[in-house]
Amino acid sequence: GEDVEQSLFLSVREGDSSVINCTYTDSSSTYLYWYKQEPGAGLQLLTYIFSNMDMKQDQRLTVLLNKKDKHLSLRIADTQTGDSAIYFCALRGYGGSQGNLIFGKGTKLSVKP
Amino acid sequence: EPEVTQTPSHQVTQMGQEVILRCVPISNHLYFYWYRQILGQKVEFLVSFYNNEISEKSEIFDDQFSVERPDGSNFTLKIRSTKLEDSAMYFCASSDSGRPGNTIYFGEGSWLTVV
Repeated sequence: GEDVEQSLFLSVREGDSSVINCTYTDSSSTYLYWYKQEPGAGLQLLTYIFSNMDMKQDQRLTVLLNKKDKHLSLRIADTQTGDSAIYFCALRGYGGSQGNLIFGKGTKLSVKP
Repeated sequence: EPEVTQTPSHQVTQMGQEVILRCVPISNHLYFYWYRQILGQKVEFLVSFYNNEISEKSEIFDDQFSVERPDGSNFTLKIRSTKLEDSAMYFCASSDSGRPGNTIYFGEGSWLTVV
């Protein structure tokens, strides 16, 4: 079945860029998502990219998709302490119901002042 | 901003007991979901619900699980006879349509501990 892998931890200094990486196995994935979970809160959709795109930019967030390598990344520019959270990569396969998302384990981003 | 609310935030139950986790989806949403996350593992899809019936379920969602929309606002997940391995964070979610890329809003989760 589909699998989504992420590194578990990332630590950066405030003001630096953060790059969170994700690899997946399902080549038919149509939509790929990034969710953020702050302590004690639910999963918040940050951004998503459709599989016919290579890049999507939204303010400080840049999503890069390399379909050949099945690699998705989220870059956060000028990382702030408020960005400290767990970031989940998720994908929806072709033909699957919109709610059936396959998640990675999440990458815990720690931002040091 | 509208939000999905879940109760209880944390429940401890004895093995074999029935548990009901409650969710209030966003009011104009039509699609409802349950996910769970066992500690240290991935967030896993359990079930989706639309038009008063299950539209999709995973292998995890066996006969011990059931969902219900008892009234116009609540969406519940029932575990009939809890097992130790049911200990997890359970997330409820909702969306206003089934279109791909449509935002799915998640609640803060209900942490279930089975002892």
